[in-house]
Amino acid sequence: DVKVTQSSRYLVKRTGEKVFLECVQDMDHENMFWYRQDPGLGLRLIYFSYDVKMKEKGDIPEGYSVSREKKERFSLILESASTNQTSMYLCASRRSGTATGANVLTFGAGSRLTVL
Amino acid sequence: DQQVKQNSPSLSVQEGRISILNCDYTNSMFDYFLWYKKYPAEGPTFLISISSIKDKNEDGRFTVFLNKSAKHLSLHIVPSQPGDSAVYFCAASADLQGAQKLVFGQGTRLTINP
Repeated sequence: DVKVTQSSRYLVKRTGEKVFLECVQDMDHENMFWYRQDPGLGLRLIYFSYDVKMKEKGDIPEGYSVSREKKERFSLILESASTNQTSMYLCASRRSGTATGANVLTFGAGSRLTVL
Repeated sequence: DQQVKQNSPSLSVQEGRISILNCDYTNSMFDYFLWYKKYPAEGPTFLISISSIKDKNEDGRFTVFLNKSAKHLSLHIVPSQPGDSAVYFCAASADLQGAQKLVFGQGTRLTINP
C-alpha cells in the first residue's frame, strides 16, 4: 500500500524552539508539498519541491524553510516557532507529468503542532 | 486573495437524500479540479476529479459538475450515507508560475443525519 508517512502525529513545542517535521513517501514521486490546515482557511501551500535539492515558495512561506536531500524525504523546518504556527501540517506528494491522475496529491496523516 | 472559495462552512443532510457541495473559483487558468474528503486526525483523501474539457464526471454515488462560464463546480452525493460525514475540500490545478500547483478552498463540513 503506497503511502506518505509523517513521523510525528502530535508535537508540543515552546516559542522560539526549532522544529523539524519529517515526511517520507514510497511512491517515487518527483513532487512533494507542505500545506497547513487551519479552520476557515482550508489548506494553504507553504513550500513545494519538484526535484531533489529543489524548492519553491508556496503562498505562505514566511517563518518556514524546507530541505529535500533525497527524493523520498521532504522536511519542513520552523527556525523559531511562534504561537501563530500552531496548526495541522500536511505533507503530500505527486508524480510529474500530464497523464491522468498526475494532478492527484497523496497526503500523509498530518502532524498537529502546538506552540506554547 | 482566495482563488478557490467554498462559501458554505457546513452542511447538514438527512441520510438517503442528496448532498450538494459547491465551489467557486476566480482564475480562468485552472484546468483541472478535484474534490478531497477529510476525516478528523487523518490526511485528505482524493475523491473525484474533472478536467476543464468536461462538464460532468461520475463515480458511483459521487458526481462532479463543472460550469466554466460561471467558474463554478459542485459535488453531488446520492444517496448520502453516515460515512460521508467529513470535511470536503475542492481544489483547482493549473500551471501557475511555471509549476503545477493545487489551490484549495476553505472546506465544507458535511454532516449526514440518520
